[in-house]
Amino acid sequence: SYVLTQPPSVSVAPGKTARITCGGNNVGSKSVHWYQQKPGQAPVLVIYYDSARPSGIPERFSGSNSGNTATLTISGVEAGDEADYYCHVWDSSSDHYVFGTGTKVTVL
Amino acid sequence: EVQLVESGGGLVQPGGSLRLSCAASELIFSKYVMTWVRQAPGKGLEWVSVISGSGISTHYADSVKGRFTISRDNSKNTVYLQMDSLRAEDSAVYYCAKSISETGYYYLDYWGQGTLVTVSS
Repeated sequence: SYVLTQPPSVSVAPGKTARITCGGNNVGSKSVHWYQQKPGQAPVLVIYYDSARPSGIPERFSGSNSGNTATLTISGVEAGDEADYYCHVWDSSSDHYVFGTGTKVTVL
Repeated sequence: EVQLVESGGGLVQPGGSLRLSCAASELIFSKYVMTWVRQAPGKGLEWVSVISGSGISTHYADSVKGRFTISRDNSKNTVYLQMDSLRAEDSAVYYCAKSISETGYYYLDYWGQGTLVTVSS
C-alpha cells in the first residue's frame, strides 16, 4: 500500500519559515493536499492541489510537489500556527485515500 | 455554510456493533463524495471508507474491509458507517468529511467535529 512519510516534529522560531515534507514514491505525480489540526479540533484544509490555498487561509501558507517529496511551507510563522499537519492523497492504484504520518509544528 | 454533524458514537464491547451517522446541511448532498476518517487517541489521521455521491461506488481501508459498511441516504442528507466485529484498535474519534466532486476522490473541504467510539469490555 502507498505510504506517505512526514517528520514527526518541526520546531521554528516566530517569524521564521517552517518547511514540512511529505515523502512518497513518485508523489509528484499525485495531487497532494494538506490539513492543519489543532488539539481537540477537526482538521482544516490549508493547501489543495499541491499549492492552492482555500479562501481564508493566509498567504503565509504555500505548497509544492515534485519527484518523491511534497512540501508545505509556512512563512513568517506565528504562535497560532502551532498544530499538527497532515498531507493527503488519493492512490488510484489501490483506490485508497492515504494520509501522511503527521508533523507536529512547535513555535519556540 | 456547510455543516456536518456526526452521531452514534459510544462505548461498545469487543465483537459488538455500532452505527455512526453524519448529517449534512446547506449543500446538495448527492453531488458529493463522502468519507470517514478516524483518529485514535494521540495518533494520526487514518482513512476508513469513502462513498460516491450516488452510493454506487464504495472503498475501504484494509483494516476495516469486511467489518465496516458505508452507505448513504441522499433523501436524508446522511451518510452512515455500520461497524461490526469491533476491536479495541477501532477505538477512535470518527470524522466524516466531504469532498468536492460527485464521483472523483479529491481533497476534503469540510469536516464534522467527530464522534468518539470506544471499544472496551
